[in-house]
Amino acid sequence: GEDVEQSLFLSVREGDSSVINCTYTDSSSTYLYWYKQEPGAGLQLLTYIFSNMDMKQDQRLTVLLNKKDKHLSLRIADTQTGDSAIYFCAETPDTGRRALTFGSGTRLQVQP
Amino acid sequence: GAVVSQHPSWVICKSGTSVKIECRSLDFQATTMFWYRQFPKQSLMLMATSNEGSKATYEQGVEKDKFLINHASLTLSTLTVTSAHPEDSSFYICSARGQVRTYEQYFGPGTRLTVT
Repeated sequence: GEDVEQSLFLSVREGDSSVINCTYTDSSSTYLYWYKQEPGAGLQLLTYIFSNMDMKQDQRLTVLLNKKDKHLSLRIADTQTGDSAIYFCAETPDTGRRALTFGSGTRLQVQP
Repeated sequence: GAVVSQHPSWVICKSGTSVKIECRSLDFQATTMFWYRQFPKQSLMLMATSNEGSKATYEQGVEKDKFLINHASLTLSTLTVTSAHPEDSSFYICSARGQVRTYEQYFGPGTRLTVT
């Protein structure tokens, strides 16, 4: 079945860039997502990328997709303390009509 | 747009009782909603897929008689935890798929259930 893996923890200083990495196994993954979860809250959709794209930029967020290596990354420029949260990578195949398979989440800690 | 709400946000109940959790899409119609469960410091695990007007599809290992799902309208799905036990204590999150951009999934704020 599908498997999505992420590193568990990342610590950066305020103002630096953060890069959160994710690998997946399902070669039929069509849509790949990044969600943010703050303590005790639901998931906020940050951005997503289609498998026919290599990169997507949205303000401070840059998503890179390497299909050959099945590797997805999220770069947050000028990281702020408000960015401290858990970031989940997720994927779904086909037309995106199925549920998402999530990674274990990466806890980002931003030091002031 | 694309707001999903859940009610209640947290609930405490006694063992043996039933609890109903509502998931609503506030500004769009959702033919499909998903129910996930999240244990502390863990990822989300899909429990079931809820389709408006039809029976839910449950993931392997999820008891359909224990976790009753009803999707009676295009904006409301409910999850009822029947005869709750302490091991059912968890964070339950629903999501709704966009109607036009079906690849976008929007999540509710979650419901924390504690069974004593």
